[in-house]
Amino acid sequence: GQQLNQSPQSMFIQEGEDVSMNCTSSSIFNTWLWYKQDPGEGPVLLIALYKAGELTSNGRLTAQFGITRKDSFLNISASIPSDVGIYFCAGQLRTGTASKLTFGTGTRLQVTL
Amino acid sequence: EAQVTQNPRYLITVTGKKLTVTCSQNMNHEYMSWYRQDPGLGLRQIYYSMNVEVTDKGDVPEGYKVSRKEKRNFPLILESPSPNQTSLYFCASSYKQGGVHTEAFFGQGTRLTVV
Repeated sequence: GQQLNQSPQSMFIQEGEDVSMNCTSSSIFNTWLWYKQDPGEGPVLLIALYKAGELTSNGRLTAQFGITRKDSFLNISASIPSDVGIYFCAGQLRTGTASKLTFGTGTRLQVTL
Repeated sequence: EAQVTQNPRYLITVTGKKLTVTCSQNMNHEYMSWYRQDPGLGLRQIYYSMNVEVTDKGDVPEGYKVSRKEKRNFPLILESPSPNQTSLYFCASSYKQGGVHTEAFFGQGTRLTVV
């Protein structure tokens, strides 16, 4: 299947700093999604992007769907301790009636006080 | 409360002993899917279902079966589990917006160990 390159793999930042992570693909996607996963839990959807070039915010989170449809980034502003977790990007490809979601390998975020 | 419920949360079984992991959603969603999560590999789609009686393979379907007899339930069946199916499994349910299914709700996961 398709593969997504997500970077960085992990980040150690101080509380209050801004965070940026991104995903790139060799193929285009129709939709980009960003999730957060806490230990022992399932992923939680943060932001969904449906159009190339779309820029969407959800509180301190901002994500963009790249113009080429092959990349997306997620920014977190003014990080707080509860931002700790693993962030996943996912690209959705729809062909006819079929729909497949491909996940990146995740960015582990650690926030120090 | 909108929920995706998986059972069991933890399961240890022996090679070859058939098992079923149940998944149920209370949001009347058409689209449901199963993933496995392994270290370093992220989440990989096993099977998905666009609606009742409509299922299709994801990226790693070998060794798994699914059924979708009613909208709310989407069980994952391992007919003859093997140790390489030891993993963390997630069921997901999608809402539809503008004709697009968005996988917004995940269950809490089932940690399966096959010995």
